[in-house]
Amino acid sequence: AQRVTQPEKLLSVFKGAPVELKCNYSYSGSPELFWYVQYSRQRLQLLLRHISRESIKGFTADLNKGETSFHLKKPFAQEEDSAMYYCAPPRYNFNKFYFGSGTKLNVKP
Amino acid sequence: GAGVSQSPRYKVAKRGQDVALRCDPISGHVSLFWYQQALGQGPEFLTYFQNEAQLDKSGLPSDRFFAERPEGSVSTLKIQRTQQEDSAVYLCASSLATGRYTGELFFGEGSRLTVL
Repeated sequence: AQRVTQPEKLLSVFKGAPVELKCNYSYSGSPELFWYVQYSRQRLQLLLRHISRESIKGFTADLNKGETSFHLKKPFAQEEDSAMYYCAPPRYNFNKFYFGSGTKLNVKP
Repeated sequence: GAGVSQSPRYKVAKRGQDVALRCDPISGHVSLFWYQQALGQGPEFLTYFQNEAQLDKSGLPSDRFFAERPEGSVSTLKIQRTQQEDSAVYLCASSLATGRYTGELFFGEGSRLTVL
């Protein structure tokens, strides 16, 4: 079965520190990967997708096929980055869109 | 409205009651998903519609769960004879794309169901 692993349930960093949220997936094929974010009292929303190679709010994510990882990174965390982050890995068919269990990022002042 | 709308936002049901949760997707969005999100967990896939066709319902946890989208727009998730383990937030998401890559999912705010 296809699996997504986000090993950290909670990640606390100080403002200005680098942050990396880990995501590993099990899949063989051409993946299309996403990171979704849920800020407090807001709905789940797309943060970025690897295929567009964008940097959104300073976040980037690189697909590493060798390690089957899609870690989310930001060099300098901001307090407004505090939120739940969900990795959404590739699907073996388009009907199933899996999410990881999420990592809560807490950026301390 | 401009976004995905879900109702009710909060529902408290006694065990054994039937509930119906509504999702109004973004106009023109062909794909519609339902997810169940338990406390502290990520969203778990329940079912998927493409227009009015329910193409995948493999995530529905039991035959007490039923979803429909009769006219290819509004969808209803029905839970019969609710149990305490059904307590969760039920998320609806829609997407414009179809085919191999569904593209960005737009989520509603969710319906929080509490079964007493």
